[in-house]
Amino acid sequence: DTGVSQDPRHKITKRGQNVTFRCDPISEHNRLYWYRQTLGQGPEFLTYFQNEAQLEKSRLLSDRFSAERPKGSFSTLEIQRTEQGDSAMYLCASSLMRGVEQYFGPGTRLTVT
Amino acid sequence: SQQGEEDPQALSIQEGENATMNCSYKTSINNLQWYRQNSGRGLVHLILIRSNEREKHSGRLRVTLDTSKKSSSLLITASRAADTASYFCATPSGGSEKLVFGKGTKLTVNP
Repeated sequence: DTGVSQDPRHKITKRGQNVTFRCDPISEHNRLYWYRQTLGQGPEFLTYFQNEAQLEKSRLLSDRFSAERPKGSFSTLEIQRTEQGDSAMYLCASSLMRGVEQYFGPGTRLTVT
Repeated sequence: SQQGEEDPQALSIQEGENATMNCSYKTSINNLQWYRQNSGRGLVHLILIRSNEREKHSGRLRVTLDTSKKSSSLLITASRAADTASYFCATPSGGSEKLVFGKGTKLTVNP
């Protein structure tokens, strides 16, 4: 399977804990995106990378959120001191170039209790 | 803020019927994309239509784009129970590469 993969698929954590999600894009794609989706809504953009450079961050990405793509391949999204409002599906996508379709992974569903 | 808004919010049809979903957007675009999402899963890209195109087909899907009205439609012909999903339109935002999605149309195809 050469699609976008995400790990873990589900994460349950207690409020105040830190969590980290991983995304492996399609291998030749140099662009990687993170989105967040809550129930009944469309995905909302969080941040994106071109190779290892983080080129844009949404205002949704508070100081508790950090994303990295250290070698321009996989990416991690960390949430520190989780809050109940962080409960959502976190989606990763990748694309080959600007202005083309983005391919999405299966998502990581985070539940903060 | 949302760029695309799908209409209707929910649609229920019988297998074999056609389903039409509409999307309106606010600013100029260079392309518009449609995605499908099965319950609780990731999004699957269906079709991308560029601003200089008026209509595009892919299998049982037909997408139209009217840039003068800032609207697009997705037609699924001869629907199947497996088409049951949420459908989203998405557009790039300004000069950014991020996609801005609407809230989606939830389609139910009854066998």
